[in-house]
Amino acid sequence: RKEVEQDPGPFNVPEGATVAFNCTYSNSASQSFFWYRQDCRKEPKLLMSVYSSGNEDGRFTAQLNRASQYISLLIRDSKLSDSATYLCVVNGGTNAGKSTFGDGTTLTVKP
Amino acid sequence: NAGVTQTPKFQVLKTGQSMTLQCAQDMNHNSMYWYRQDPGMGLRLIYYSASEGTTDKGEVPNGYNVSRLNKREFSLRLESAAPSQTSVYFCASMVQNTEAFFGQGTRLTVV
Repeated sequence: RKEVEQDPGPFNVPEGATVAFNCTYSNSASQSFFWYRQDCRKEPKLLMSVYSSGNEDGRFTAQLNRASQYISLLIRDSKLSDSATYLCVVNGGTNAGKSTFGDGTTLTVKP
Repeated sequence: NAGVTQTPKFQVLKTGQSMTLQCAQDMNHNSMYWYRQDPGMGLRLIYYSASEGTTDKGEVPNGYNVSRLNKREFSLRLESAAPSQTSVYFCASMVQNTEAFFGQGTRLTVV
């Protein structure tokens, strides 16, 4: 089983739709959690951190459920510019310095 | 503000040739990472270095060696390149368990 698993996707949604991605992790000792965005053939960039209390940044909401070991990302009112691959990242755990990425979920927002 | 700098950006190698991918960061980060990303796939960790003087294997270390030359620099060496090593290689750095900053990637083709 992979350490970090994401919804396989791809997700194809119309503009204005709400879309949610889930990610599960296997190491209960993991310490920090993030969502990254990767545009085609570019390097990943931080979208937002994920906290147990949940956090929101404009149209984006991230949630962490430590008991069930999953994190989620909700995108409301999708824009064409949201089309990208979204990567779930889990840090720490057994190897404190290790940062593990999920395989990513590709989102395409259509007019 | 350079951030993470990778060289070269593109490289074509013949099977059996060797090369070193260079990575340097100017953010005084302790942790540095090398990932590979195959077409349509997520990032897979090759090696990481939690601090100067230490290196650890990631998910796919076979065929690679690394050197953490100093706090700034973390190089990845392919001793005898194989077509299966055709990929995009990303270097990243971070303060432990916080945001990772990526270089722009090295696109390597082994023929």
